[in-house]
Amino acid sequence: DADVTQTPRNRITKTGKRIMLECSQTKGHDRMYWYRQDPGLGLQLIYYSFDVKDINKGEISDGYSVSRQAQAKFSLSLESAIPNQTALYFCATSDPRNTGGADNEQFFGPGTRLTVL
Amino acid sequence: GQSLEQPSEVTAVEGAIVQINCTYQTSGFYGLSWYQQHDGGAPTFLSYNALDGLEETGRFSSFLSRSDSYGYLLLQELQMKDSASYFCAVRDRSGGFKTIFGAGTRLFVKA
Repeated sequence: DADVTQTPRNRITKTGKRIMLECSQTKGHDRMYWYRQDPGLGLQLIYYSFDVKDINKGEISDGYSVSRQAQAKFSLSLESAIPNQTALYFCATSDPRNTGGADNEQFFGPGTRLTVL
Repeated sequence: GQSLEQPSEVTAVEGAIVQINCTYQTSGFYGLSWYQQHDGGAPTFLSYNALDGLEETGRFSSFLSRSDSYGYLLLQELQMKDSASYFCAVRDRSGGFKTIFGAGTRLFVKA
């Protein structure tokens, strides 16, 4: 099955460390997203990319950076992790060709639980 | 800016019908989606409304009124497995059609 995978699934790190979260997809979708989820706050968009040459900031991009290495790969980096970046991180993909151009259905990876001590 | 409001929790009995409301404020509304998320799991897409009216998919239906900036998700014949969080999400033309999610409604289904 075409899928969205994230590595690592769990990570504990210390304040000030650089962390990279990776996302790969075999769905052939052009659009990829990174979200952060905190308890009771739903999903907040960090960055999104509509194709390999396109990167856009979301609602909460400060303290994060991304790299779109290929259509199938979209990485999220925390240059210097801080404790309030402790959260569940989701990668997602979408393809407007599948939804009449509306790009309304997003397919999520299993998530990465990040703890910054 | 954009904002969405939905109840934080709803409790219902197995076999019943429950409605989860969502009101939104956005400058360039394009469509309203609903997602389900079980504890420890990833969000999964349930439905999408771009036009006013009701969309039905099995036991789940979603409604949109663009003039009222309001939508709801209707779950019928509730089952225990429907216990989960439900998120409404607005697709907005501003900022390149990005999607903004609400904080979610936790549904508890009791036997």
